Amino acid sequence: GESVGLHLPTLSVQEGDNSIINCAYSNSASDYFIWYKQESGKGPQFIIDIRSNMDKRQGQRVTVLLNKTVKHLSLQIAATQPGDSAVYFCAEPANDYKLSFGAGTTVTVRA
Amino acid sequence: DTEVTQTPKHLVMGMTNKKSLKCEQHMGHRAMYWYKQKAKKPPELMFVYSYEKLSINESVPSRFSPECPNSSLLNLHLHALQPEDSALYLCASSQGPSSGNTIYFGEGSWLTVV
Repeated sequence: GESVGLHLPTLSVQEGDNSIINCAYSNSASDYFIWYKQESGKGPQFIIDIRSNMDKRQGQRVTVLLNKTVKHLSLQIAATQPGDSAVYFCAEPANDYKLSFGAGTTVTVRA
Repeated sequence: DTEVTQTPKHLVMGMTNKKSLKCEQHMGHRAMYWYKQKAKKPPELMFVYSYEKLSINESVPSRFSPECPNSSLLNLHLHALQPEDSALYLCASSQGPSSGNTIYFGEGSWLTVV
């Protein structure tokens, strides 16, 4: 089964507000996590990654937080824009070349 | 923009047709992948090529036949497909094993089997 999972399948957010997307994982030995954004009709796009020796990593308007104690991962999007509407997947390398995906959270930005 | 290029973007084929999906990457990556994605679901792994050799086949039916002509190219040959095979087919690549190496996806090929 999947080793990563998401708390909520959908998230509706007002334009300009911050978004938080959550993901839980079960393998305490996991050492690398990736967030992907998939817009309608497109392939998954790499957003940001984090390794287990870090608690936080920031990109452009996005921050990923890793809480190894409770095996929880979150993606924060600052000042959410209409272009942020998409499905967001967390993913974890399972072994060798396999990726284990969460179920995905659909983010809808309200104008 | 993705550096993994897939063609065609859309394909409609009959159940008796033979067609191919093509993928190309110029990032020097040594691993290439085929994934299948149904609506509202995460991608599902089909095949992995590592250094141009097939290293993983996720029990995919033989009507799907992968081919890796060289380190930059990956094909998926389709024959005698079923309507339930209609999906988004994603090609991806990575520098090496997924543990520590990011997998980058193409925009996908939308396949409809009629």
